[in-house]
Amino acid sequence: GAVVSQHPSWVICKSGTSVKIECRSLDFQATTMFWYRQFPKQSLMLMATSNEGSKATYEQGVEKDKFLINHASLTLSTLTVTSAHPEDSSFYICSARGVPSWTSGILNEQFFGPGTRLTVL
Amino acid sequence: QQQVKQSPQSLIVQKGGISIINCAYENTAFDYFPWYQQFPGKGPALLIAIRPDVSEKKEGRFTISFNKSAKQFSLHIMDSQPGDSATYFCAASTDSWGKLQFGAGTQVVVTP
Repeated sequence: GAVVSQHPSWVICKSGTSVKIECRSLDFQATTMFWYRQFPKQSLMLMATSNEGSKATYEQGVEKDKFLINHASLTLSTLTVTSAHPEDSSFYICSARGVPSWTSGILNEQFFGPGTRLTVL
Repeated sequence: QQQVKQSPQSLIVQKGGISIINCAYENTAFDYFPWYQQFPGKGPALLIAIRPDVSEKKEGRFTISFNKSAKQFSLHIMDSQPGDSATYFCAASTDSWGKLQFGAGTQVVVTP
């Protein structure tokens, strides 16, 4: 249980195009979803936090007009990288936080998706 | 400025040995300390987590030791196996805040 999926798992695009990444919580309602970025051999860097039905909160230094986040339902959040450039190439990971009905529920517990590898040519 | 400092950066241990990874934090408001395991090309997976009201938590071969006064916590992997070869991240957060602050990660290699 507590499965989070991401789609696509990898994507290659041309510079200047936009790419949308989906994050879904499959068996629980995610009140909050987080988007991370990870460069090779580095830690996860939080980009933004999104709560269902409200605007995302971006971390300092993250361009909100470039990384558009939509959390339209309790099971789906999307990250759109607009006008992608080679420096946006990275591993993007989402996580979802909620209280699965089948667990005792640790408020903080985040369940991570498998990640999306973005390569911008 | 990294709020959670993790060491060592990498670790090589023989099969059957003990892997020990250490983390330190400054923010006394942190009250949730998870450890994640990440394999190449995959998302992190929660391994074990602890709250500051206990000093130790064990799940199978994985044990977290927590020292509240020293603001340190560590992960011990007993009887390390080649399948444990992965990158391990410690993290910390507060209940009301929810954002995880990650350590830099430790790459563990278990040799046969």
